[in-house]
Amino acid sequence: AQKVTQAQTEISVVEKEDVTLDCVYETRDTTYYLFWYKQPPSGELVFLIRRNSFDEQNEISGRYSWNFQKSTSSFNFTITASQVVDSAVYFCALSGLLSGAGSYQLTFGKGTKLSVIP
Amino acid sequence: DSGVTQTPKHLITATGQRVTLRCSPRSGDLSVYWYQQSLDQGLQFLIQYYNGEERAKGNILERFSAQQFPDLHSELNLSSLELGDSALYFCASSVADSGGSYEQYFGPGTRLTVT
Repeated sequence: AQKVTQAQTEISVVEKEDVTLDCVYETRDTTYYLFWYKQPPSGELVFLIRRNSFDEQNEISGRYSWNFQKSTSSFNFTITASQVVDSAVYFCALSGLLSGAGSYQLTFGKGTKLSVIP
Repeated sequence: DSGVTQTPKHLITATGQRVTLRCSPRSGDLSVYWYQQSLDQGLQFLIQYYNGEERAKGNILERFSAQQFPDLHSELNLSSLELGDSALYFCASSVADSGGSYEQYFGPGTRLTVT
């Protein structure tokens, strides 16, 4: 079975502060993929990043960065100099062999609601 | 804009009724996935189709069914609706079969309200 835990239900920060969203996962697969998605107030889910289990290099994209640590089964997401437009619910997801489904499917965490206050 | 379209955007219906949600994947994508997002269950995978064939099933109720047509659009049918079926239903698509190897692009969702 696979599981994704996002312990932070809600976070509020003041604009320009840095914020880190935590994601811890559980899987028995040796090959798996990790994802982050953003769900702004408008409701759609926006793909942010995909990492495979063999690539532990940190990644930076503009103000976004991701820290993947296999030793702690974590895939944390940091937003630097947060902006009001970053306000959204952020989901971490794990793709592994889903029990009963017989194929690789996404298991999502419960999400972290980020509010950036101007 | 992800390139995935879903209709209708909102749907309000009564208990016991049947509804059909429609999804068109991104151009070139062969896989279509359906998800349900509710406050208590979060985002849950329902079912996947690949090039017209059912590929995987998740937590999909027997009252729900789906299909993917030759033009690759997909429909999710929900019948004997209950209040608990009220949720946001997402369709996603990806270029290939594996649900994990490739990123999935999500449509805007259909918000279903059962009264």
